[in-house]
Amino acid sequence: QTVVTQEPSFSVSPGGTVTLTCGLTSGSVSTTHYPSWYQQTPGQAPRTLIYSTNTRSSGVPDRFSGSILGNKAALTITGAQADDESAYYCVLYMGATWVFGGGTTLTVL
Amino acid sequence: QVQVVESGGGVVQPGGSVRLSCAASGFSFTSYGFHWVRQAPGKGLEWVAFIRHDGSHTHDTDSVKGRFTFSRDNSKNMVYLQMNGLRVEDTAVYYCVKEGFYYMDVWGKGTTVTVSS
Repeated sequence: QTVVTQEPSFSVSPGGTVTLTCGLTSGSVSTTHYPSWYQQTPGQAPRTLIYSTNTRSSGVPDRFSGSILGNKAALTITGAQADDESAYYCVLYMGATWVFGGGTTLTVL
Repeated sequence: QVQVVESGGGVVQPGGSVRLSCAASGFSFTSYGFHWVRQAPGKGLEWVAFIRHDGSHTHDTDSVKGRFTFSRDNSKNMVYLQMNGLRVEDTAVYYCVKEGFYYMDVWGKGTTVTVSS
């Protein structure tokens, strides 16, 4: 069974840039997986950030960007802010099903 | 505005049943499918199921096959998740999510299901 992989945790300094990735235990991530990214703070519902690899959802600041880097999907935060400290989840479309990665907890310090 | 609101959660005994409801408003309901996503306490998000805009097809994750059923009532702008044969590991916050183009677009605040004796 293919698993979607994410870094369990990451840290970034305020104002810094960080790239979170989303891979597969078997194979490469491509645009046909329609990678999407979600942000979740504790106790809150997730918020949609990026869909179809690199399209920002309405109202999402342009410091968030999505791409394919090598064989993974990537979420890059440029100019990280304190309120970016959250869990970030990627989702891949696997043909009639969707699979979440385990999530990355981002610390801004 | 575009909104989805879940209801129906609660405490249920193992082996029991519960039906979750999702009320949608602010958009053309019959044009969109819906996902159900759950999150166990302290864990990550897990995709559960998707129902198409016309209810003609549903897709679900292996762990709920044969136990959960998914439906919608386009006359009421409602989506339903019927959960039978509940297990302790089904304990989670359940989110109803309006679909986007191969992604999850608008999220509800979730409703909590606790399976416990």
